[in-house]
Amino acid sequence: EAGVAQSPRYKIIEKRQSVAFWCNPISGHATLYWYQQILGQGPKLLIQFQNNGVVDDSQLPKDRFSAERLKGVDSTLKIQPAKLEDSAVYLCASSLAPGTPGANVLTFGAGSRLTVL
Amino acid sequence: GIQVEQSPPDLILQEGANSTLRCNFSDSVNNLQWFHQNPWGQLINLFYIPSGTKQNGRLSATTVATERYSLLYISSSQTTDSGVYFCAGKAAGNKLTFGGGTRVLVKP
Repeated sequence: EAGVAQSPRYKIIEKRQSVAFWCNPISGHATLYWYQQILGQGPKLLIQFQNNGVVDDSQLPKDRFSAERLKGVDSTLKIQPAKLEDSAVYLCASSLAPGTPGANVLTFGAGSRLTVL
Repeated sequence: GIQVEQSPPDLILQEGANSTLRCNFSDSVNNLQWFHQNPWGQLINLFYIPSGTKQNGRLSATTVATERYSLLYISSSQTTDSGVYFCAGKAAGNKLTFGGGTRVLVKP
């Protein structure tokens, strides 16, 4: 089965510019997650979708970050305007719907590395 | 949310050695997972282990839920085992929280 696809793999922007990352989860995975991983730290959940609805966005800096999953399949994470501290790897993960066998297991994409200068 | 602490933060092993990585969590969890992040940044799920013991090849994991810790064992380590090992825990109604990781370097 195809894995979680993410693009772009690398992006370098100036502070105050905007950037968007795209994620296509594993086919049939109802739950989609965006994590931020700062160098040397563990991933931190930004937002979790169940189909096209938001389950948890409590750690999403909503003044500059936004995310959508309009059709319940692929998703876009946007940052506008970017700050220096947004430099990180943005990881997308997906899993089966709650209650489905194996639903607790997350599969991650390769990540999108953002450098803000 | 829960706090997840991992130890040791860094580990250097000679190829063939065995090692134990530890994960402590601050509250009862109903979801505990171990991941390996390879040097290229890819996170791979190793175990889903909210309780009990599981083995997969040279890796095994044990979670003692009542004492709020989990252990990951690496036996006969190989250079391909290098990378960062993360545990992540989730209490009921909360989000999956990652620890800070254990950075493992296996030398040939």
